[in-house]
This record gives sequence, structure tokens and C-alpha cells, in this order.
Amino acid sequence: AQKVTQAQTEISVVEKEDVTLDCVYETRDTTYYLFWYKQPPSGELVFLIRRNSFDEQNEISGRYSWNFQKSTSSFNFTITASQVVDSAVYFCALSEARAGRRALTFGSGTRLQVQP
Amino acid sequence: DAMVIQNPRYQVTQFGKPVTLSCSQTLNHNVMYWYQQKSSQAPKLLFHYYDKDFNNEADTPDNFQSRRPNTSFCFLDIRSPGLGDAAMYLCATSLAISTDTQYFGPGTRLTVL
Repeated sequence: AQKVTQAQTEISVVEKEDVTLDCVYETRDTTYYLFWYKQPPSGELVFLIRRNSFDEQNEISGRYSWNFQKSTSSFNFTITASQVVDSAVYFCALSEARAGRRALTFGSGTRLQVQP
Repeated sequence: DAMVIQNPRYQVTQFGKPVTLSCSQTLNHNVMYWYQQKSSQAPKLLFHYYDKDFNNEADTPDNFQSRRPNTSFCFLDIRSPGLGDAAMYLCATSLAISTDTQYFGPGTRLTVL
């Protein structure tokens, strides 16, 4: 069965600090996709990134970067020079590619608080 | 801008009084999903439509129903809301099933009095 673990329940940092959110996943499939979503206090889940299991290249988008390591089944998310607007709950999620699967398996989320 | 819209953003209902939540999309996606999210928890999938094909999660209570009259709209009906049904209800869409990215609406926060 697939499972996503976000061990950090809550992280608090001061503005301009770098912060890494951890995500560890379990799956028996060789083909799968990993996602990160941001949920600000308004409640909407905002899509950040989608990565397939065959692409281990790290990705950078502005202050955001993602480190995908199949060897450790991890897909960690780093925010560089954090800002107050980054305060939100961040969810890591997994989707398997085999026929019939249609659900995202979410981790329990990490609440990030960025203090001014 | 293409988007997923949910109305209303906040809904208050009384215990046992039927309520309908609405979702519409301009993305022309084939799949529409309904999730329930309770405080400090991850979203939980209730059901989804692939075009007109309805797919219910095994543990979704019978109290929850859904309708999709056309590609753009999907409704969540709660026939007899209980206090435990108070939650954020999120609608999402994706182009196809499985590994396609799901795009979420802003959610409807339901309060049951």
C-alpha cells in the first residue's frame, strides 16, 4: 500500500531563514508521481510541483527547490530566504500509475510559520 | 483565467437539513473530485467522476451524494448533515485519471449547527 510520511508537524522560522520540509513515501510501484501542495490560511490547495519516478533531477523554481532521491524514498522541499507569505500548511502527495488508481495519497502536512 | 470555482465559500446548515455544495470548472477537465478536510488533517477523497462515470470511495458514508450534470459542474449533496460533517469541502479537477495533476478550488467551509 502507498503511504506518505511528513514527520514534521510544525516548523517555525524567522524570515529570511532557509527551511526544508521532509517527505518520505512508500510504494510498490515502479511508476509513480509525487506532488507538493501549499495550503494557505484561506484554505485553497495550491499546486507547486509534480515529479515522476523516472526523473530524479532536482528542480529549482525561484526560492523553491525540490530534492528527489529514490534511494531513500524522499522528496524534500526547501524554501530559501523564507518570507511571511510562505506561512501555510504544505502537503506532500503520491499517486501511483497502475490502472485503476486515481487517488492522491496525502501526507499529514507540515505547518510552516514564518515570523517577521 | 481557467479555474475551479466553489460556491458558497462558507455554508451554515442545521443538523439534519440537506445542503448542496457547488463546484464548477473552466479547465474542461474530464475528472472532478470531492474531498473532505477536517481541521489539521489531510484531505480525504469522497468520490470522483470520470466524465459521467461515478466512483465512490469504499468508506464514504451514504449520507454523501454527488451529481455531475455536465462537464463543467459537479455538486455535493449531504442529505442529513451531522455535527461530524462540519469540515472544509474541496473540489478538484484533473485532465485524466491517476497521475495527472489535480487542481483544487478554494473550498467550502461547512458549519453544522
